[in-house]
Amino acid sequence: EAGVAQSPRYKIIEKRQSVAFWCNPISGHATLYWYQQILGQGPKLLIQFQNNGVVDDSQLPKDRFSAERLKGVDSTLKIQPAKLEDSAVYLCASSPRTEAQETQYFGPGTRLLVL
Amino acid sequence: AQSVTQPDIHITVSEGASLELRCNYSYGATPYLFWYVQSPGQGLQLLLKYFSGDTLVQGIKGFEAEFKRSQSSFNLRKPSVHWSDAAEYFCAVEAGSYQLTFGKGTKLSVIP
Repeated sequence: EAGVAQSPRYKIIEKRQSVAFWCNPISGHATLYWYQQILGQGPKLLIQFQNNGVVDDSQLPKDRFSAERLKGVDSTLKIQPAKLEDSAVYLCASSPRTEAQETQYFGPGTRLLVL
Repeated sequence: AQSVTQPDIHITVSEGASLELRCNYSYGATPYLFWYVQSPGQGLQLLLKYFSGDTLVQGIKGFEAEFKRSQSSFNLRKPSVHWSDAAEYFCAVEAGSYQLTFGKGTKLSVIP
């Protein structure tokens, strides 16, 4: 079974530029998550999708971050304009959501450096 | 709101020695608890999880963890560490809404 795929793996941009990250979850997984992991910290949830609907985006900085999950499969996370403090690893995870307690499966992440 | 504390930022052990990584959580009800491992440049891999039942949970790669409600702890243990165990370890709690709250992680270094 293929895992969660993310691209690109690395991205370097200058502040005020825009950037987009792509995630392809495990086939059949209904729930998709985007996390931000700043160096030296644990992952922090940005947004949670159930199929193609948003369950929780309370921690997403909506003035600059946006995310969508068209057709309930792939997802894109965008930052526009980027700030220095957005430098982090952006992790995508998915879960099947068939049990009360689910395991989340993580992709390798996209490492973003904002100069 | 729930929270997770991993008191040790960095631990160094010799290969073959035993290991215990500490995790304390804050949550009003019985939480669902997880340990993940992250190798450099990689995503997070699930080591083990606790939902209910037996408080001693076995995971992959020879790891185990014990849930202690009275201490609000979920410490990760391994009897004999291998050099390949060097990585960062994250404890996480799910307290409803299928969302994970992570600790800040403990970096494990292994001396040959």
